[in-house]
Amino acid sequence: DQQVKQNSPSLSVQEGRISILNCDYTNSMFDYFLWYKKYPAEGPTFLISISSIKDKNEDGRFTVFLNKSAKHLSLHIVPSQPGDSAVYFCAAVISGSARQLTFGSGTQLTVLP
Amino acid sequence: NAGVTQTPKFRVLKTGQSMTLLCAQDMNHEYMYWYRQDPGMGLRLIHYSVGEGTTAKGEVPDGYNVSRLKKQNFLLGLESAAPSQTSVYFCASSTFSGHTEAFFGQGTRLTVV
Repeated sequence: DQQVKQNSPSLSVQEGRISILNCDYTNSMFDYFLWYKKYPAEGPTFLISISSIKDKNEDGRFTVFLNKSAKHLSLHIVPSQPGDSAVYFCAAVISGSARQLTFGSGTQLTVLP
Repeated sequence: NAGVTQTPKFRVLKTGQSMTLLCAQDMNHEYMYWYRQDPGMGLRLIHYSVGEGTTAKGEVPDGYNVSRLKKQNFLLGLESAAPSQTSVYFCASSTFSGHTEAFFGQGTRLTVV
C-alpha cells in the first residue's frame, strides 16, 4: 500500500512554460515533505521542502504547495528550462522518527526546447 | 567535500554469491539509510541506522543485512544474492537536528544473473 503516490509517470512541457508535478499521500502522520530531482546515473538531489505548518514554500523558480486537508502537494517550476528535465520524486517524513523518507514512484519531466 | 560515497558503482553477481556495499559519509551525520530503486516503484527503504552500533529494518529488509561499526560508514550485505535483488542501491545520510534533507550517494547498480 503506497503511502506516497505520484500518479503521473511522465510530463512534457514547453520551455518557458509552467511545470506542475503532483503528489498525494495517505498517512496523516507525515509532517514534512520534500522534492528530490534525479538525473540518470546520479543519486537524488534535494530540491525544496515544506513543513506541514505551511501551505507554500518558494525558492527561485520552484514553489511547493501543500493542501493538508486534501493530503496533496504540488511542485511548480516557472519558467521551465531544458536542464529541468529529470525524474522528480516526492517524499514524506514523520518528524521525531529516524527521518526515514517515504518516496513516491517519481515523475519524468521533459522540458522541450 | 565528498558528501556520501558508495563503493562499488557497478557489480554483476551470480545467484548465490555474496557481496558487501560500502557507504561512507563525511558530514558527521547521525542517520544513515539504504534504499533500492526499481522501475515504477520509487525508492524503498531497506535498512537504516540512527547511530553508531545501531540498525533497524525498513520496508524491504529481507535478504539483506547491515552494520554500522563506525559513525561514518554503513555497510549493506547480501549473503546469497538472488535475481530479485537486481536493482540500483542508494545510500543516504541525514542529521537529527532541525529540518534538513537527506543527502544521497551516486548509487550502485547491481545485477544478479
